[in-house]
Amino acid sequence: AQSVTQPDIHITVSEGASLELRCNYSYGATPYLFWYVQSPGQGLQLLLKYFSGDTLVQGIKGFEAEFKRSQSSFNLRKPSVHWSDAAEYFCAVGAGGNKLVFGAGTILRVKS
Amino acid sequence: GAVVSQHPSWVICKSGTSVKIECRSLDFQATTMFWYRQFPKQSLMLMATSNEGSKATYEQGVEKDKFLINHASLTLSTLTVTSAHPEDSSFYICSGHTSGGVRYEQYFGPGTRLTVT
Repeated sequence: AQSVTQPDIHITVSEGASLELRCNYSYGATPYLFWYVQSPGQGLQLLLKYFSGDTLVQGIKGFEAEFKRSQSSFNLRKPSVHWSDAAEYFCAVGAGGNKLVFGAGTILRVKS
Repeated sequence: GAVVSQHPSWVICKSGTSVKIECRSLDFQATTMFWYRQFPKQSLMLMATSNEGSKATYEQGVEKDKFLINHASLTLSTLTVTSAHPEDSSFYICSGHTSGGVRYEQYFGPGTRLTVT
């Protein structure tokens, strides 16, 4: 069965520093991969997605992610974090029937 | 982007009573709606999938008689928690998907916090 692992429960970075959130997936074929952000009181917002093609995908808010098949990874990156990026981030993989399987999430804290 | 609303955003009910949560797609037709449950500091767990006009399909371990899902129109789905108990307290999130849209792309509501006392 498909699964997603986000090994970091919490990450704290300084404002202006770079960020990388890790995501590993388990899926037999070419996966459909997503990163979402969840802020308090708001629904999950799609940051970016990968289906095929270029393995480096650009998303909203300056985020990017790189698909590495050999490592079964889809890590999220941002070169310079802003205080408004503090939120919880979820990686997800398509699991058939338009269903998504989510990782446990990573809470990002930004210190000034 | 597509917008999904949920009502209420927060509800408290007494043990043994039922509570209904509404999920509406405001600017698109949600041919499929998903209902998730999220415990504090945990991930979203899919409870059920419903296609408009059809019975919902429940994930393993989810009691279909306890969590009644109705998807009678392309813009409205409801989740009714029947005979609620404190262990049903959780954050419930719905999402919508439109056929013909991007595969796997779901638009999420802001969630409903249910507290059962």
